[in-house]
Amino acid sequence: GQNIDQPTEMTATEGAIVQINCTYQTSGFNGLFWYQQHAGEAPTFLSYNVLDGLEEKGRFSSFLSRSKGYSYLLLKELQMKDSASYLCAVTDSNYQLIWGAGTKLIIKP
Amino acid sequence: IAGITQAPTSQILAAGRRMTLRCTQDMRHNAMYWYRQDLGLGLRLIHYSNTAGTTGKGEVPDGYSVSRANTDDFPLTLASAVPSQTSVYFCASSDWSPQNTGELFFGEGSRLTVL
Repeated sequence: GQNIDQPTEMTATEGAIVQINCTYQTSGFNGLFWYQQHAGEAPTFLSYNVLDGLEEKGRFSSFLSRSKGYSYLLLKELQMKDSASYLCAVTDSNYQLIWGAGTKLIIKP
Repeated sequence: IAGITQAPTSQILAAGRRMTLRCTQDMRHNAMYWYRQDLGLGLRLIHYSNTAGTTGKGEVPDGYSVSRANTDDFPLTLASAVPSQTSVYFCASSDWSPQNTGELFFGEGSRLTVL
């Protein structure tokens, strides 16, 4: 079966760095997405990786290793507004998205 | 630019009633999707449409139907609502191609409670 694993919840301190991991087992791979979802709101796009390596976008970076079925989202200089759920999603061989359950990130002052 | 508009934003419904959730996009995306989101579970795809006039079943299609008469609208119908359909429903769209799902743009969600 297809499976995406993320930690359920993480806590970090304002100003610090946090890494949210995502491992996947899917039938084929055609890209990995990270989305941010604030409580009660819609998910919004953060990043897309299709090749191995690190993609940097401001305070957020996303890394992919296809051979290991692994990705992480790195958030630097954490701000209170970064408190949200972070969703990992993989595009399978049929170009359909498979979603993880999301990681709830709690930022403490 | 409105993006994707869903209606209603919230609804309480008696079991057995018929309900249609509306979704309209103004981005001219070819693909549209309906997801449900339940606590502790990832987004689950109900139905999708890669282009106007075609629809497909997702992971959890039972009890739901969709239509795609034009590019902009993608309504989701619950023919006879049951309590297990209590959920938050998200409509999304993307510029889909056979080689790339494309970034999904989501509506604000419709919170449905079936009693």
